Amino acid sequence: AQSVTQLGSHVSVSEGALVLLRCNYSSSVPPYLFWYVQYPNQGLQLLLKYTSAATLVKGINGFEAEFKKSETSFHLTKPSAHMSDAAEYFCAVSRGGYNKLIFGAGTRLAVHP
Amino acid sequence: DGGITQSPKYLFRKEGQNVTLSCEQNLNHDAMYWYRQDPGQGLRLIYYSQIVNDFQKGDIAEGYSVSREKKESFPLTVTSAQKNPTAFYLCASSIGGTGGDTQYFGPGTRLTVL
Repeated sequence: AQSVTQLGSHVSVSEGALVLLRCNYSSSVPPYLFWYVQYPNQGLQLLLKYTSAATLVKGINGFEAEFKKSETSFHLTKPSAHMSDAAEYFCAVSRGGYNKLIFGAGTRLAVHP
Repeated sequence: DGGITQSPKYLFRKEGQNVTLSCEQNLNHDAMYWYRQDPGQGLRLIYYSQIVNDFQKGDIAEGYSVSREKKESFPLTVTSAQKNPTAFYLCASSIGGTGGDTQYFGPGTRLTVL
């Protein structure tokens, strides 16, 4: 069965510092992996997705993620945090042939001045 | 502008009542989905539909029902059989129903049981 684990339900960084949000997955087949961002009381917005074309995936707002098959990881990074990055971030894996997503529990990112 | 709309934004329900949440998309997507979001639990799939007049249960379908009579519409009914319906409900759509197709989300409906 496929699953997603996000390490750290809350992450706090200073403005300008590196952002690292961790995601590990389990999948019996090559996965499709996604990172979404959610601002309070809003829907989810796609940051980036991995579909096996390249292991380093660049997304919107300066975020990127690297697919590491040996570590079954898909960590999200941003070199320099901005106050506007404060939100909740979800990692997800596509399950089976019907595009059903399994989501991690989410990581809430706080950015301090 | 193309997108997904959900209404209402906030909904209050008395115990024993059925309520229906609306989801409409003008993206010409074939597949549509309903998720429930609870604090600290991520999103869980309630129902999904790959094509008009067809839908399947997700992981937590008990106490919910859906219909897909039109390509652009996928309403969700929360019935009185759902014992703990207070949650944030999100609708999504994708161009197709195969793995890897990006799901686009609506703004959500927050349901509170009084």
